[in-house]
Amino acid sequence: TQLLEQSPQFLSIQEGENLTVYCNSSSVFSSLQWYRQEPGEGPVLLVTVVTGGEVKKLKRLTFQFGDARKDSSLHITAAQPGDTGLYLCAGTTSGTYKYIFGTGTRLKVLA
Amino acid sequence: GAGVSQTPSNKVTEKGKYVELRCDPISGHTALYWYRQSLGQGPEFLIYFQGTGAADDSGLPNDRFFAVRPEGSVSTLKIQRTERGDSAVYLCASSLIGAYGYTFGSGTRLTVV
Repeated sequence: TQLLEQSPQFLSIQEGENLTVYCNSSSVFSSLQWYRQEPGEGPVLLVTVVTGGEVKKLKRLTFQFGDARKDSSLHITAAQPGDTGLYLCAGTTSGTYKYIFGTGTRLKVLA
Repeated sequence: GAGVSQTPSNKVTEKGKYVELRCDPISGHTALYWYRQSLGQGPEFLIYFQGTGAADDSGLPNDRFFAVRPEGSVSTLKIQRTERGDSAVYLCASSLIGAYGYTFGSGTRLTVV
């Protein structure tokens, strides 16, 4: 069973600080996604990465897929209170459209 | 519709009762997924439909859980003889087949008392 471990589990930072969230597995993924989820809502897709070493930017968020396609990171620059939420990575292996979700990182940005 | 719609948004039921949870996907999305999310955890895969058929039901925890999608659009997740451990948020998502990424609904919060 593939398992996606995220770290840290919880993160509380001040507005303006930078942070990085990690997503690690022993499995190789054909694609990996990052979602953000707010209370009472479903996860919302932020980005999909498919190529080893790929880097994508979404405003203040930078996503990287590991060269071996087993891990990924999400870096937020100058965090804002609006970034508060549960960040989830999700991966799929070749031949399936089923995504396996990570354990989640709960981020709180204090004003 | 514009998004994935799930009803009801909240359901409280007594242990041993039967419940049905409904998912109305985005029009034209052929793939539909059910996930279950416990408090503080990531979503856990239950079942995936491609059209009317279940392409992968390996995540259903036991035979009390069943899902259908008879016309390839709306899906119903059915839970028989509910147990307190079934309490969770049940999430539905849809996508175009082969597309990256899902669109999730807001979920149904099921509480078994």
